[in-house]
Amino acid sequence: GDSVTQMEGPVTLSEEAFLTINCTYTATGYPSLFWYVQYPGEGLQLLLKATKADDKGSNKGFEATYRKETTSFHLEKGSVQVSDSAVYFCALVISSGSARQLTFGSGTQLTVLP
Amino acid sequence: DGGITQSPKYLFRKEGQNVTLSCEQNLNHDAMYWYRQDPGQGLRLIYYSQIVNDFQKGDIAEGYSVSREKKESFPLTVTSAQKNPTAFYLCASSIVGRASGNTIYFGEGSWLTVV
Repeated sequence: GDSVTQMEGPVTLSEEAFLTINCTYTATGYPSLFWYVQYPGEGLQLLLKATKADDKGSNKGFEATYRKETTSFHLEKGSVQVSDSAVYFCALVISSGSARQLTFGSGTQLTVLP
Repeated sequence: DGGITQSPKYLFRKEGQNVTLSCEQNLNHDAMYWYRQDPGQGLRLIYYSQIVNDFQKGDIAEGYSVSREKKESFPLTVTSAQKNPTAFYLCASSIVGRASGNTIYFGEGSWLTVV
C-alpha cells in the first residue's frame, strides 16, 4: 500500500539555521504531495503542495520539490525562525475518486531556539 | 470565512458517558474525515464519509460512531466502549475526484479528556 516515511525527530536548531526535513514515499499511483504544519494545540494547516514530478511547492520561505526518481519531497528552509517551531507532516494523496485518499507520515517536531 | 468549525474545543467525559464532537464545513466538500491524534504521535483515521448518508470505518473505528445526514455536518460520538478516549480529535474535509492535488483541509481540533 501507499506509505510516507519522514525523518524522525525531534529536530532542534538555532535561529537562522538551515532546515531540511526528509520525506520519502511509496505509492501505487501518481500522488500529489503535501507538507502540513501543526502549531501547539492547533489543527493542521497546509504549508505547501506539489501535484506532479519536478514541481516545487513554496510558502513562507519553505520549499519542497517533487522528485519522482528518488520518490522524495524533502522540506527545506534557508533560515528558520523561533516562530517555525511546530510539528511538520508530509502526506500524499492519490486522486482515485475514493475519499480514502490521504496517507500521512508520522510527523517531525521542530524546535527553533533563539 | 470558509472553513471547518469544530466544537467544543475542550471536552471532559466521565467514565461510561457518550460524548459528541461537532464538525461543520462550508467549503461544499463531499468528503469528511475524523482523525485521532495522541500526544507526540501522528494521525489515525477513525471514520470517513464520501457522500451524505454514507460513511466508512477507518483504521481505529471501534468505540466510535458517526452520522452524515447533511453535507455540511459530520459529528463524531465517542461511546463508552472506547476505553482510552483521551486524545486530540481532528475533523477534515476535501473534494473527491480524479484531478490531482485534492487538498485535505483541517479544523482546529477538539481536546477530549476522561475525568
